[in-house]
Amino acid sequence: KQEVTQIPAALSVPEGENLVLNCSFTDSAIYNLQWFRQDPGKGLTSLLLIQSSQREQTSGRLNASLDKSSGRSTLYIAASQPGDSATYLCAVRDGGSQGNLIFGKGTKLSVKP
Amino acid sequence: NAGVMQNPRHLVRRRGQEARLRCSPMKGHSHVYWYRQLPEEGLKFMVYLQKENIIDESGMPKERFSAEFPKEGPSILRIQQVVRGDSAAYFCASSMGLASPLHFGNGTRLTVT
Repeated sequence: KQEVTQIPAALSVPEGENLVLNCSFTDSAIYNLQWFRQDPGKGLTSLLLIQSSQREQTSGRLNASLDKSSGRSTLYIAASQPGDSATYLCAVRDGGSQGNLIFGKGTKLSVKP
Repeated sequence: NAGVMQNPRHLVRRRGQEARLRCSPMKGHSHVYWYRQLPEEGLKFMVYLQKENIIDESGMPKERFSAEFPKEGPSILRIQQVVRGDSAAYFCASSMGLASPLHFGNGTRLTVT
């Protein structure tokens, strides 16, 4: 059974810092991996999608990497801003369960001005 | 290009009543997913549907819960005889296919009194 873990559960950094969020998954048989952000009381916003054959994807100040064989992904945020404060969720599209998206519990990020 | 639309945003039901949650996927998307999020917990998969078919309902409680995605109209998640433990945020997502990213709606927050 696929399990997704995100470390740390919470992170507080001063504005301008570069930071890394970690995600690990137990079964490497995945279609892809997707990073989202969720603001309080809101839905999920898709940030990046990495297919299982890819190593990384970039969008603006965000860079996500995928090492499928070791079951790990990282989300790198450059030059963090207060507007980046949110909960970041990692989810894998599981190859063994009809393609459902299985989520970690998220990392709650706070960027202090 | 409208995103995933969910309604209502907030729904209050007394114990024993029925709750109907609606989801209109993004234009061109034929895959719909329902997730539940309890306070301080992660997103839990409930059901995955394509037009007129349930692909995977392994996350649905065996009783009182049902879902459909008819040929015409929105997907409906139906909860009969609601109990307090059903209080949660219910999110719908849609995609074009297995290799495509999921896009989420803003959720329906169900409160059972």
